[in-house]
Amino acid sequence: QVQLQQSGPGLVKPSQTLSLTCAISGDSVSSDSVAWNWIRQSPSRGLEWLGRTYYRSKWYSDYAVSVKRRITINADSSRNQASLQLKSVTPEDTAVYYCARNYYDITGYSFDSWGQGTQVTVSS
Amino acid sequence: EIVLTQSPGTLSLSPGERATLSCRASHSVSSTYLAWYQQKPGQAPRLLIYGASIRATGIPDRFSGSGSGTDFTLTISSLEPEDFTVYYCQQYDRSQYTFGQGTKLEIK
Repeated sequence: QVQLQQSGPGLVKPSQTLSLTCAISGDSVSSDSVAWNWIRQSPSRGLEWLGRTYYRSKWYSDYAVSVKRRITINADSSRNQASLQLKSVTPEDTAVYYCARNYYDITGYSFDSWGQGTQVTVSS
Repeated sequence: EIVLTQSPGTLSLSPGERATLSCRASHSVSSTYLAWYQQKPGQAPRLLIYGASIRATGIPDRFSGSGSGTDFTLTISSLEPEDFTVYYCQQYDRSQYTFGQGTKLEIK
């Protein structure tokens, strides 16, 4: 059974970069039937998909239009983990951040496994 | 971007009753790309239904999904005490995912 363990700081200063990591066990980050997503949740914005990365002979990423200019999602095969970087954060980026898996062969374009969530607060 | 609107915002029912939750899309969504989640306080969402009507592993059969096009429904046939929480729908279209704003199911 896949497990996603998130790590990263809970407090980020405005204008700085938010960085989170999702360590994967029970699956491979470079499997060709999965994708690794970042999703956030706040009272004002609800559940908001931020982007995904996946491997199909090479690495691909897709991003939400709302954050496209500020976001990078990467994968590290040697560490079996995915990462999120969100630049130039503002208080509006305060949210609980989740990593989540798509498992296309079984559950298609849904998120079948989730990390535990990381509360990130943007404040000076 | 496809906007998902869930109704009602809050649904007040008693254990044993039937719950019907609605999810309406601003544009047609392929049934393949429609999912439902349950979220309890302090927890990540849990996948209930994918492909509009397929129960995820371990989900009780009192949960069912239906619909097509722009109108989708999550039905809970007979409410158990642990079902009173928040539910979200989610869709995928052209490399973008969106979620509905949620329906809170509360005990009457």
